[in-house]
Amino acid sequence: EPEVTQTPSHQVTQMGQEVILRCVPISNHLYFYWYRQILGQKVEFLVSFYNNEISEKSEIFDDQFSVERPDGSNFTLKIRSTKLEDSAMYFCATTGTGVYNEQFFGPGTRLTVL
Amino acid sequence: GEDVEQSLFLSVREGDSSVINCTYTDSSSTYLYWYKQEPGAGLQLLTYIFSNMDMKQDQRLTVLLNKKDKHLSLRIADTQTGDSAIYFCAESRTSGTYKYIFGTGTRLKVLA
Repeated sequence: EPEVTQTPSHQVTQMGQEVILRCVPISNHLYFYWYRQILGQKVEFLVSFYNNEISEKSEIFDDQFSVERPDGSNFTLKIRSTKLEDSAMYFCATTGTGVYNEQFFGPGTRLTVL
Repeated sequence: GEDVEQSLFLSVREGDSSVINCTYTDSSSTYLYWYKQEPGAGLQLLTYIFSNMDMKQDQRLTVLLNKKDKHLSLRIADTQTGDSAIYFCAESRTSGTYKYIFGTGTRLKVLA
């Protein structure tokens, strides 16, 4: 069964450093998303991406965040200058044009900012 | 608004039924989902319901939707210890970006 994969599974970084989180979507999917989950809290929408551009972003997704799909396969989330409060689990999700809009979630990347 | 609320904790005995509740505010929500998250793991889709349905049953899982009250519930029959996890409801629409709005999550603890 096709699945969404994410790398790395765990990233530890120093405050102020840049990180890039990577996602490989399911091959025929068209919509891509990033969500984050701070430890013990709910899953929050960050950004959606369609047709090579951002279609919607939340208040969390400020100028420090960016997304791109550089090679038509990987979908990346970049945090330019990490802050302690960026520590969270980041989930990538993708969907095709299925009848019930099911988003397929990756296993997540745990980001720890020290 | 885009708030989706759930009770935080539920504890049941093995073999009993569990009922996890969710309320949402966006009347334009079209699809509603239940996800399971085990400790340290990702999100596993359990079931979903379309907003023109009142009920959906899938093996041990029964989803009830009350559109008037914007209330969604997940009933797990014959709850097992392996069902211990956090359960999230989520809503999305059929238009726009199809983003999910997740609930706060309910931690289900099944006692042997």
